[in-house]
This record gives sequence, structure tokens and C-alpha cells, in this order.
Amino acid sequence: DGGITQSPKYLFRKEGQNVTLSCEQNLNHDAMYWYRQDPGQGLRLIYYSQIVNDFQKGDIAEGYSVSREKKESFPLTVTSAQKNPTAFYLCASSSYKAGSGANVLTFGAGSRLTVL
Amino acid sequence: SQQGEEDPQALSIQEGENATMNCSYKTSINNLQWYRQNSGRGLVHLILIRSNEREKHSGRLRVTLDTSKKSSSLLITASRAADTASYFCATALTGGGNKLTFGTGTQLKVEL
Repeated sequence: DGGITQSPKYLFRKEGQNVTLSCEQNLNHDAMYWYRQDPGQGLRLIYYSQIVNDFQKGDIAEGYSVSREKKESFPLTVTSAQKNPTAFYLCASSSYKAGSGANVLTFGAGSRLTVL
Repeated sequence: SQQGEEDPQALSIQEGENATMNCSYKTSINNLQWYRQNSGRGLVHLILIRSNEREKHSGRLRVTLDTSKKSSSLLITASRAADTASYFCATALTGGGNKLTFGTGTQLKVEL
């Protein structure tokens, strides 16, 4: 089955530690995204990548880093510089290409990060 | 950044009733999408309506778009307990490329 796999589902981290969230897709999608969701709020875009070896900052990129070395993978590192990292993190992908129409996202099941 | 605002924030209805939730946005869009999120899970795409469309249907879902009022509504007819979830609108801004901006969501509870 095609889809997006996020791991781990739950993660606990001590303050001052970096942590990396994994996102893998087998949908052959070019574009991948990371969103953050806080309780009772909508999704905020952290980073996105439209093609391998290229990515752009979203609305709340400070304290986060990403890489896109393979089409299938878009890991997110939450660094110690992120002041309030406890949140639900969602990875998504799409087959969007500029000028080709609407961008419909397929989401993973999410990773819940708690900083102790 | 521009963000859709859903109304109401929470909605509780009985099974079999219709559920209506609204989304307002601020600037010109290419399309508007609705997503559903079950508690603690990822979002699932429900339906997309383009800026030149006024109404779309998909099964028990009906979406309307009024670009003059910068608003959209999602109607779920004959609701079921399994429809209990949060519903989000997402807007693709004109000239915004492939970025989607999500609203704050409506929490729908359908009671037996």
C-alpha cells in the first residue's frame, strides 16, 4: 500500500537535546511538507521541499532543520534552539507541480513530541 | 500569514442530523480544500473547490464557496457517529504556489 510513514509515533526528549523525526513516502511524490499542530489549533508550516536537494522555510522554521537527500525521505530535526517543541508533528506529501493544478496533501499519522 | 477561520469551533449534534461548518479567509485564493482529522491522527483530504466553482458534492458532503464574501461552508448530511472528528479548511493563495494555509478547525461530535 502506498502512503506516508512517520516515526516514532511518540517521542520524549529532555530539554537541550536535538531529536529527529522520520518521514518516508512511497507515493512517488515530488513535494513534501512538515507541519506543527498545537492543541486546539490549526496546522502551521515548518518547512517544505518541492524537489530533492531543495527546501524552503515555512512560517515557523526557527529552531528546526530538514534535509531532502532522497525523494522518499524528508526528516525533520527539532533542535535545542526551538523554545517550545512539545507538539504534534505532521508530515505530508503531494504530487504538485507548478502550473499543473491544485495541491492536495496526503498526510502521515503524526509524531507526538513531548519535552520533559 | 493569512489563515482560514472556522466557525463554530465546536459542534455537537445527534446522529442523523446535518452538520454545517463555515470557513472564512482573507485574501484571493486559487482553491479551498476541506480535510478531516480523527483524534491523534493525520489529516485526510475530503474535497476541493476551485475559485471559479460555487458548489461541489461528494457523497454526503456538500461544499459551497462564495468568493465575494471570502467564505466557504461544508455540509455533512445525515451525520453518523463515525463522522466525529475535527474538520479543517485549507486555502491555496493566488500566487502562493503549492503552499496551503490551514484554519483552526471545527470539532464535530455526533452523538448516538
